[in-house]
Amino acid sequence: DTEVTQTPKHLVMGMTNKKSLKCEQHMGHRAMYWYKQKAKKPPELMFVYSYEKLSINESVPSRFSPECPNSSLLNLHLHALQPEDSALYLCASSPGLAAAYEQYFGPGTRLTVT
Amino acid sequence: QKEVEQDPGPLSVPEGAIVSLNCTYSNSAFQYFMWYRQYSRKGPELLMYTYSSGNKEDGRFTAQVDKSSKYISLFIRDSQPSDSATYLCALRDGGSQGNLIFGKGTKLSVKP
Repeated sequence: DTEVTQTPKHLVMGMTNKKSLKCEQHMGHRAMYWYKQKAKKPPELMFVYSYEKLSINESVPSRFSPECPNSSLLNLHLHALQPEDSALYLCASSPGLAAAYEQYFGPGTRLTVT
Repeated sequence: QKEVEQDPGPLSVPEGAIVSLNCTYSNSAFQYFMWYRQYSRKGPELLMYTYSSGNKEDGRFTAQVDKSSKYISLFIRDSQPSDSATYLCALRDGGSQGNLIFGKGTKLSVKP
């Protein structure tokens, strides 16, 4: 089973709202990732967690706040977003950080900021 | 020059055709090569993963890597309308800690 699940599937939020995206995997993977994908563009890496510790932050604005409560769960907390933050947010996981490992993506959360 | 070049298409073929999708890259440090298929408004699905020059086959799909030319390909035999999607190549160097370098993606349409 190579399934990564994400909730919600769709989210509409105003610029003053606070919301969270959730990602879960039960493959025993120890690395988890958040990506942002705009229409007709490839995914862009935002954050990487390894063994529940933040490993990479690709200079993402502080209005995006990641959290890894345990090895199976990854959250992305959203606050005071801008309309240009509307995108598909993808979670991925891999057995570890080593370059040889494949990354498996979830279905994404389609976020619209109004 | 971008690290990974991929023709965005769109590419339209009749059902049953052989499809060839390609990426070129400039950084010889890339050692791991992946192809993802992404249906509209869905997450990318890992199709093929290779780490050495040569061919790897899985059903109707063949991934080809030529490290000397810095060129990777994905061939789809007997293409089906269900293959209509965007295909993304993704590369990673041996020292990477997670950064996949994606091509722009090629949008493929297989007509019945």
